[in-house]
Amino acid sequence: DADVTQTPRNRITKTGKRIMLECSQTKGHDRMYWYRQDPGLGLRLIYYSFDVKDINKGEISDGYSVSRQAQAKFSLSLESAIPNQTALYFCATRGQSTDTQYFGPGTRLTVL
Amino acid sequence: AQTVTQSQPEMSVQEAETVTLSCTYDTSESNYYLFWYKQPPSRQMILVIRQEAYKQQNATENRFSVNFQKAAKSFSLKISDSQLGDTAMYFCAFMKHGGGADGLTFGKGTHLIIQP
Repeated sequence: DADVTQTPRNRITKTGKRIMLECSQTKGHDRMYWYRQDPGLGLRLIYYSFDVKDINKGEISDGYSVSRQAQAKFSLSLESAIPNQTALYFCATRGQSTDTQYFGPGTRLTVL
Repeated sequence: AQTVTQSQPEMSVQEAETVTLSCTYDTSESNYYLFWYKQPPSRQMILVIRQEAYKQQNATENRFSVNFQKAAKSFSLKISDSQLGDTAMYFCAFMKHGGGADGLTFGKGTHLIIQP
């Protein structure tokens, strides 16, 4: 089984809809991240969390919110989706004593 | 803030050739990590190699090696004996060491195509 899972893997929604992307990990890592990938732009950090009580904004947090329900779960929400939020979204984890981030398989989100 | 620049949007080489992907970065930090990630068509992000800035020795992982030039803020990836399965997007990434703002800063990527 994969160590970092994301659900759904693909999602099509309409402008104005609320949508939640979920991430779960079995690696026991305390740090979790959400990134967005757009063609030609690489990945950019949306939010990150050091633990359940510590959540921080990244480079492009506007229009997004997150929830760290447990050490193993980190959800990304779009309260009112807009077409320019169409992108590939990645969750990643990292242990406190390591420097390497491990990525989930990604969620392709399309906002019509 | 850190920036990472990959100046080659796309490269194409023949199978078995050696190819070098370029990456430069800008930072005021003295201690940090650098990474190369591979993203094949499956879109999974796969760690290829990592380098700790305080180590002068260049990292090597099988056919993959880096040329880390700290003073020049350069971190290139060399792939030897390239294989068809090396076809992918390659991203260079930077992470600051220590507390404070966390997360990776990525370059825009290089699309590497290995021709048979």
